[in-house]
Amino acid sequence: DQQVKQNSPSLSVQEGRISILNCDYTNSMFDYFLWYKKYPAEGPTFLISISSIKDKNEDGRFTVFLNKSAKHLSLHIVPSQPGDSAVYFCAARYNNNDMRFGAGTRLTVKP
Amino acid sequence: NAGVMQNPRHLVRRRGQEARLRCSPMKGHSHVYWYRQLPEEGLKFMVYLQKENIIDESGMPKERFSAEFPKEGPSILRIQQVVRGDSAAYFCASSPVVAYEQYFGPGTRLTVT
Repeated sequence: DQQVKQNSPSLSVQEGRISILNCDYTNSMFDYFLWYKKYPAEGPTFLISISSIKDKNEDGRFTVFLNKSAKHLSLHIVPSQPGDSAVYFCAARYNNNDMRFGAGTRLTVKP
Repeated sequence: NAGVMQNPRHLVRRRGQEARLRCSPMKGHSHVYWYRQLPEEGLKFMVYLQKENIIDESGMPKERFSAEFPKEGPSILRIQQVVRGDSAAYFCASSPVVAYEQYFGPGTRLTVT
């Protein structure tokens, strides 16, 4: 069962513009959401997270928004840089350490 | 402080052989998770272990797959009698006792010929 969905397998944006990556979830028991970034031949690295009691968390160029009523979260990257090109995974946590991942979105930032 | 270590990085096995994948968590981390990434797919949870205990194995195939995290030494993911469909990247992650983030290793790419 796909409890965390990333419906866009790929996204291409111009350097300097905004990148918006989307994620939907079905399980209302998720209490914490995370974004991971993955380069080829490497493991995912943690990027940013948000608790279910918040609707926004910002860290430099990265902002995560959470809409609990819509069961939707998004990652905004502004301004996008070529080094941001990677696969981005959305993840949701419940039951303390149990985490579920989306299928990933491949972001390409063109110079 | 070394990160999560996995070995081997690449493993080639013939159909019917056994594959053993090792994961050494970050220092101080007692929780280990295994994920599988099939080509063109996302990360699929397989199993969550603490020292000497399997906490959640709901993502593990019922047959041929097993995992352990002994009191001493790395966590091992074992796949018996491998088939071509087992070819994938296997990632291990670890976290401290109470954590919101899991830290991933570089993965083991298993190829079954």
